[in-house]
Amino acid sequence: DIQMTQSPSSLSASVGDRVTITCRASQSISTYLNWYQQKPGKAPKLLIYAASSLQSGVPSRFSGSGSGTDFTLTISCLQPEDFATYCCQQSYSSPWTFGQGTMVEIK
Amino acid sequence: QLQLQESGPGLVKPSETLSLTCTVFGGSISSSGYYWGWIRQPPGKGLEWIASIYYSGSTYYNPSLKSRVIISVDTSKNQFSLMLSSVTAADTAVYYCVSHSRNNWFDPWGQGTLVTVSS
Repeated sequence: DIQMTQSPSSLSASVGDRVTITCRASQSISTYLNWYQQKPGKAPKLLIYAASSLQSGVPSRFSGSGSGTDFTLTISCLQPEDFATYCCQQSYSSPWTFGQGTMVEIK
Repeated sequence: QLQLQESGPGLVKPSETLSLTCTVFGGSISSSGYYWGWIRQPPGKGLEWIASIYYSGSTYYNPSLKSRVIISVDTSKNQFSLMLSSVTAADTAVYYCVSHSRNNWFDPWGQGTLVTVSS
């Protein structure tokens, strides 16, 4: 199985901050990397697919980059509604696997 | 707009079989190119893909659970189902049904249903 490792596991930030979350795959996955946002008690929501493509309806302050083994999710100007847990998922090979999540908390 | 909704018992006894159904609204489960799957999340932990199925019946399983899982589809009811046998406390989780294309990113998700394994 491909292991997905996120860093940091949690971070504290203020509204308006630029936030960067990293996801590393245990082997090269090209750009088969997706990002989800999950709020407490809710299902995950797809934000970014294929490493850098913004899902319809997702604000443009979210962006993704990377290829191979190293990927980044950036929130350019953190908004109150962005405080949540973010996780990555590889769609390169089955079984599809997820990172452990990064919790973005209010500073 | 495609919507998915899970249903099933919230409490299952150890060693018994967990059974869940997902009903698809706003679209046909027989739509070409769409797969239907299950993902779970133990309390406070990460997400684990369990299995997926195509309307034709082709199935895909996570090897870690394959010996205990059956996924099936009922096109007449626009539903698909999950059965997980010989459950233990480690199977306690929120179970989500999802849709995905051949690109295998998951969207949309059902709201999730908590299944607790306890006597």
